[in-house]
Amino acid sequence: KNQVEQSPQSLIILEGKNCTLQCNYTVSPFSNLRWYKQDTGRGPVSLTIMTFSENTKSNGRYTATLDADTKQSSLHITASQLSDSASYICVVSAKGPSGATNKLIFGTGTLLAVQP
Amino acid sequence: DTEVTQTPKHLVMGMTNKKSLKCEQHMGHRAMYWYKQKAKKPPELMFVYSYEKLSINESVPSRFSPECPNSSLLNLHLHALQPEDSALYLCASSHSGTSGRARETQYFGPGTRLLVL
Repeated sequence: KNQVEQSPQSLIILEGKNCTLQCNYTVSPFSNLRWYKQDTGRGPVSLTIMTFSENTKSNGRYTATLDADTKQSSLHITASQLSDSASYICVVSAKGPSGATNKLIFGTGTLLAVQP
Repeated sequence: DTEVTQTPKHLVMGMTNKKSLKCEQHMGHRAMYWYKQKAKKPPELMFVYSYEKLSINESVPSRFSPECPNSSLLNLHLHALQPEDSALYLCASSHSGTSGRARETQYFGPGTRLLVL
């Protein structure tokens, strides 16, 4: 069964500190992995996308890593800001029978709160 | 323009009402999606339209009826909903939706928060 699990469920950090969010998946055959940021009551916004051959991708203060062997990914946030408070969702795509896919498998998300 | 717009932002309806949610994108995307998201849960896929044709229906009850009038618009018609249908309804679009493009990103709209009384 294709699943995406994230940890921790929630996290509180002080402004300016770094943090790392984890994502483990059992999706096969793997196509790509994305991290989305979702502010409360808003739609998710894509942060990074990585394919099988990529193990690191950065977007400003966000750095995602991917270990396709262990099927793990992490999202590292550097020098956190109050505006980083949001839910961070790991999303994995699986390839369909024809090699194509249009369905995403969502993780349950990590709720991050950055406090002043 | 990398924006997906949704209207209305908020909607309150009774169980006997008929209402519609609207979604629009002008990025030339040919795949559009409806998701339902309950509080503190990830989005759940409801429907996928690819090239204006319904390609995926995730066993959604018939009280939800999608419509894709053209490649830029996606509607979700609501009728005889139940209180448990209250949720955030998200629309998304992507370039094609059916290719094996590893870098195809789904762009989400801000959502419509629906409350069924």
